[in-house]
Amino acid sequence: NAGVTQTPKFQVLKTGQSMTLQCAQDMNHEYMSWYRQDPGMGLRLIHYSVGAGITDQGEVPNGYNVSRSTTEDFPLRLLSAAPSQTSVYFCASSRSLDSYEQYFGPGTRLTVT
Amino acid sequence: AQSVAQPEDQVNVAEGNPLTVKCTYSVSGNPYLFWYVQYPNRGLQFLLKYITGDNLVKGSYGFEAEFNKSQTSFHLKKPSALVSDSALYFCAVNPQRSFQKLVFGTGTRLLVSP
Repeated sequence: NAGVTQTPKFQVLKTGQSMTLQCAQDMNHEYMSWYRQDPGMGLRLIHYSVGAGITDQGEVPNGYNVSRSTTEDFPLRLLSAAPSQTSVYFCASSRSLDSYEQYFGPGTRLTVT
Repeated sequence: AQSVAQPEDQVNVAEGNPLTVKCTYSVSGNPYLFWYVQYPNRGLQFLLKYITGDNLVKGSYGFEAEFNKSQTSFHLKKPSALVSDSALYFCAVNPQRSFQKLVFGTGTRLLVSP
């Protein structure tokens, strides 16, 4: 199993540009999440999904959209990038509600200029 | 507000010595508690969790953590540190005991010297 994969590893955007961060998992996990990691702030939940077709907002959802058309994929879309979205983004998945162990991808480092 | 505090930005310990990384939480009810580790340029890896039962939980790589409800703490411990344990450690809490809306601490960098 490849586990949780994320692309790209690095990305530089200009303010106002849009892009999609890709996340995929091959473990048939029901639950997937997106976090951002900022210095001195730990990880903060952006959006999450409890299954295909079901998504919900986390702690910091503004400026981001998600969709979950398949169990495997959970892309994160930045609609109009802002410098405040400069961060490291992590995708995570977990098997089920009672597993509670999340598997994280390697991250995408995004810089918005 | 529900929160997790890791009061030390960095912990320094010599190889072979015991280590402790501190975590306290502030949530209502009985939370689920977790420790994750992050190595450079990598995603987080699960170490251990406390859901219920024995207050001392054992996890990966020889780590353990003790849940103390009266002190609202969940400190991470290891009897003998290795240089390879050097990494960033995150404590997290799931205050709603539902889907994994984890609330993370700010992280503690552990530096183990040879």
